[in-house]
Amino acid sequence: DIQMTQSPSSVSASVGDRVTITCRASQGISSWLAWYQHKPGKAPKLLIYAASSLQSGVPSRFSGSGSGTDFTLTISSLQPEDFATYYCQQSNSFHRTFGQGTKLEIK
Amino acid sequence: EVQLVESGGGLVQPGGSLRLSCAASGFTFSTYTMNWVRQAPGKGLEWVSSISGTSTTIYYADSVKGRFTISRDNAKNSLYLQMNSLRDEDTAVYYCARDRDGTSYVFDYWGQGTLVTVSS
Repeated sequence: DIQMTQSPSSVSASVGDRVTITCRASQGISSWLAWYQHKPGKAPKLLIYAASSLQSGVPSRFSGSGSGTDFTLTISSLQPEDFATYYCQQSNSFHRTFGQGTKLEIK
Repeated sequence: EVQLVESGGGLVQPGGSLRLSCAASGFTFSTYTMNWVRQAPGKGLEWVSSISGTSTTIYYADSVKGRFTISRDNAKNSLYLQMNSLRDEDTAVYYCARDRDGTSYVFDYWGQGTLVTVSS
């Protein structure tokens, strides 16, 4: 199985800050990576697929980059509604695996 | 509007069974691969199982293989998960999720989830 490791596990930031979350795969996955936002009691939301493609309807302050084993999710200017947990997921094989999550909290 | 609504969760004893359902609307259900993903309390997301549009291709996570069975009824726009021999570690919120397309293993729509609690 491909293991996905996110860092940091949690981060505190303020509205307007720029935040970057990283995700590392245990083996090369080309650009087969997705990012999700998850709020308690809500359905997870797809933000980015194919490492850098923005899902329809997602604000442009979200961006993704990377290929191979190292990937990043960047939120350029945090908004109040962005405080949530973020997960990366490898989409290289049918056995999809997620990172452990990064909780983004208000400072 | 795409909607996925899960049901069937509840409290069950270890070794027991439960059947989850997911009602889909707002898209041509039969043309999409569908999935179950779960989240144990305080834990991250874990993919559980996938089924292709025609039910010809089915996959399971090793943690549930031989105990869980995924199925679908395209006439009823419904997805199911039959869970047998349940264990404490199966306690989780179970989400129904749609594959974005036929070429990438990405979930583009999710339901709100249904809670399964395995406890004596």
